[in-house]
Amino acid sequence: QVQLQESGPGLVKPSETLSLTCTVSGGSISGYFWSWIRQPPGKGLEWIGYIFYTGSTTYNPSLKSRVTMSVDTSRNHFSLRLSSVTAADTAVYYCARFNGDEQFDIWGQGTMVTVSS
Amino acid sequence: EVVLTQSPATLSLSPGETATLSCRASQSVRTYLAWFQQKPGQAPRLLIYDASNRATGIPARFSGSGSGTDFTLTISSLEPEDFAVYYCQQRANWPPYTFGQGTKLEIK
Repeated sequence: QVQLQESGPGLVKPSETLSLTCTVSGGSISGYFWSWIRQPPGKGLEWIGYIFYTGSTTYNPSLKSRVTMSVDTSRNHFSLRLSSVTAADTAVYYCARFNGDEQFDIWGQGTMVTVSS
Repeated sequence: EVVLTQSPATLSLSPGETATLSCRASQSVRTYLAWFQQKPGQAPRLLIYDASNRATGIPARFSGSGSGTDFTLTISSLEPEDFAVYYCQQRANWPPYTFGQGTKLEIK
């Protein structure tokens, strides 16, 4: 079955860029949208955006100026870059598949990213 | 942006009882509403999509209903593993896709 695994630094300094990768195993990245969703400690979920396997992207307007997503079909992974981070960007970051029924049906385990000097 | 308001914030029940969770949208989302379950330290799990359809592998004790702005997740005969936080999420008006703030279902 398809599994997702996030990877990247757990600590990022303020004003720097957060970079995460999500590796897809057990299936192809082709044919789907792939999303990033975050959850600040003790809070709810926020959709960051998604990328189609062709590279087409849609971002949350509230984060659009700082977000870049990319996909590498040869490596079966996709990535998130969030620039100019502040403490408010501290959260667990999840990658998730957005399936043909337009649902977030498969999620990675999540990775905690802390923004601190 | 569609705001989803969940109630109650916390629901205290005993195993075997029936849980009724509510999600209200700030504008119509038709039936484009999903429910997720999240346990501590875990990712959310899709339970219900398009208001009333159970996702793959979800037990029949989980059911969803509603349309427009008012939705309900019902969990009948609560099992110990059902105590968790539940989120609703809409896909009718995007970007962005939005989530409710969550309802914590705790053991009484």
